[in-house]
Amino acid sequence: NAGVTQTPKFQVLKTGQSMTLQCAQDMNHNSMYWYRQDPGMGLRLIYYSASEGTTDKGEVPNGYNVSRLNKREFSLRLESAAPSQTSVYFCASSEAHVYPGTDTQYFGPGTRLTVL
Amino acid sequence: EDQVTQSPEALRLQEGESSSLNCSYTVSGLRGLFWYRQDPGKGPEFLFTLYSAGEEKEKERLKATLTKKESFLHITAPKPEDSATYLCAVHTGTASKLTFGTGTRLQVML
Repeated sequence: NAGVTQTPKFQVLKTGQSMTLQCAQDMNHNSMYWYRQDPGMGLRLIYYSASEGTTDKGEVPNGYNVSRLNKREFSLRLESAAPSQTSVYFCASSEAHVYPGTDTQYFGPGTRLTVL
Repeated sequence: EDQVTQSPEALRLQEGESSSLNCSYTVSGLRGLFWYRQDPGKGPEFLFTLYSAGEEKEKERLKATLTKKESFLHITAPKPEDSATYLCAVHTGTASKLTFGTGTRLQVML
């Protein structure tokens, strides 16, 4: 039982390049989330998905797109990376599907992204 | 706008020296308050959820309490392995998201 897994662990991009961050969970959770964590700021929600086929914007969605591929997988795409997107990205999942965000979220190990 | 403030930003304790971390919040209708522990280079690890004022939860050397305005994470006789950043988050039900504080970095010295 791996919980929430994320790939890659580290990534360096040049401005304007694109990439996809992958996330998978094996807990049969309905909701999945993408956060970014920056120094001096709390974790901020980028996008979330309450169920397969649905996605919604969080607090800081600009510059990102997401895909809920199936119940297990939720990917985050940067179409044209900018230095302001340098951050640590965390994926999380929880059981809730009617009221996502209301219950305990379980986090992955993170992806450390640097955009030059 | 929902706000979560954690204090102190950093705390250094000697092994065995008990203390408390504070999480104060300004929200419209608290639905749940969550405590997480985060080790360097790792993702947050769930500790506790509190739902109503007066509620308390314990796990080993940690005890979380909740009032109408704040939550405390009490650490009794800490050990070096308790060193981590402790994060507080609230859910208000007005949006499908948690609002996180910036955390308290705890260092427990031998």
